[in-house]
Amino acid sequence: QVHLQESGPGLVRPSQTLSLTCTVSGGSISSASYYWAWIRQPAGKGLEWIGRIFTGGSTTYNPSLRSRVTISGDTSKSQFSLNLTSVTAADTAVYYCARATLYSGSSDYWGQGILVTVSS
Amino acid sequence: DIQMTQSPSSLSASVGDRVTITCRASQTVRKFLNWYLQKPGKAPSLLIYAVSSLQTGVPSRFSGSGSGTDFTLTISSLQPEDFATYFCQQTSSVPDTFGQGTKLDFK
Repeated sequence: QVHLQESGPGLVRPSQTLSLTCTVSGGSISSASYYWAWIRQPAGKGLEWIGRIFTGGSTTYNPSLRSRVTISGDTSKSQFSLNLTSVTAADTAVYYCARATLYSGSSDYWGQGILVTVSS
Repeated sequence: DIQMTQSPSSLSASVGDRVTITCRASQTVRKFLNWYLQKPGKAPSLLIYAVSSLQTGVPSRFSGSGSGTDFTLTISSLQPEDFATYFCQQTSSVPDTFGQGTKLDFK
């Protein structure tokens, strides 16, 4: 059974960098059949796709966040990470990591989510 | 970005009812349309992928259909555990985008 777990600070100051890590167990992040994504959800609102990383390290980002986002992976630790720079209160959300299938792009496994609040 | 519009935004129903939720895309998404269920405080859970394929472990009362820009999720006979919020997602074009959600609650 694949399990994903987000970790990182729950509070980030405005203008600072939000950094989160997703640790994957029960499956390899090197599998060519999948890619790994970050998705966020402000309280009471809908889901926003942030970006993804493929096996081999190539990335794709949401154009609305591209200038501030970096997703990276560490296969030796079975982890992938999200960095979001210059955060504001609008970046306050529950952040999810997820595994997506190459076939359909659907996310079949999700982490439980981590609430990140941007506040001074 | 491809805009995904779900209707209705909320829906009241009873156990045993047949329920249909629709999702319309602002342009064609081919077969790249997925459905998720989300319960309060939990991560979304995949129900249907590629328009009509049932995710492993999902009960057969859930089904999906549609093509191009118009899609539906049908629950044939509502069960108590089905009361939740449902989202559609297109993965045809970057960025992936989601519908705004349909909240299904008890009548």
